[in-house]
Amino acid sequence: AQSVTQLGSHVSVSEGALVLLRCNYSSSVPPYLFWYVQYPNQGLQLLLKYTSAATLVKGINGFEAEFKKSETSFHLTKPSAHMSDAAEYFCAVSGFNNNDMRFGAGTRLTVKP
Amino acid sequence: KAGVTQTPRYLIKTRGQQVTLSCSPISGHRSVSWYQQTPGQGLQFLFEYFSETQRNKGNFPGRFSGRQFSNSRSEMNVSTLELGDSALYLCAGQSGTDNTGELFFGEGSRLTVL
Repeated sequence: AQSVTQLGSHVSVSEGALVLLRCNYSSSVPPYLFWYVQYPNQGLQLLLKYTSAATLVKGINGFEAEFKKSETSFHLTKPSAHMSDAAEYFCAVSGFNNNDMRFGAGTRLTVKP
Repeated sequence: KAGVTQTPRYLIKTRGQQVTLSCSPISGHRSVSWYQQTPGQGLQFLFEYFSETQRNKGNFPGRFSGRQFSNSRSEMNVSTLELGDSALYLCAGQSGTDNTGELFFGEGSRLTVL
């Protein structure tokens, strides 16, 4: 079975500071990994996805994530936080043998002025 | 192109009633998945339909059911509603034949059970 664990349900950073949201995965097959963002009263929107083409994945809005197989991690980063980045972020995993995508518990990002 | 449409956006029901939610995916997306989102449990997978067939199912009781039509529109039904069914129900469409691609989410149907 595949799963993801997000470390930290809440993360608070100052505007302009580095954003680091942590995600570790568990998978018995090569995983497909995703980061989604959810703004209030909206559905989820894809930020980026890892599909084994490159370990460093660049997404929208300046976010990127690095796949580290040795650490089974797929942490999300952004060099400089913006107020508009305040939202909930979800890490997700799927794979060839699974016909569903499994999500982490989510991390709520707060950006302080 | 049009996004994923979920109706209704908000609804209030009482315990014991039943509810039907609708989801229209992006044109050409044959896979539709449903998720329940609550503050305590996060995003929980309900089921996934592909070409009118339920392809995968999460760990929910039989009160939760769904179906998909030939135009890929999907409905989910919850019978004998309980207070704990209050949640945001999200559907998501996907292109392709497996689940390795991006999910395209609707804005959700927020169900309140009184």
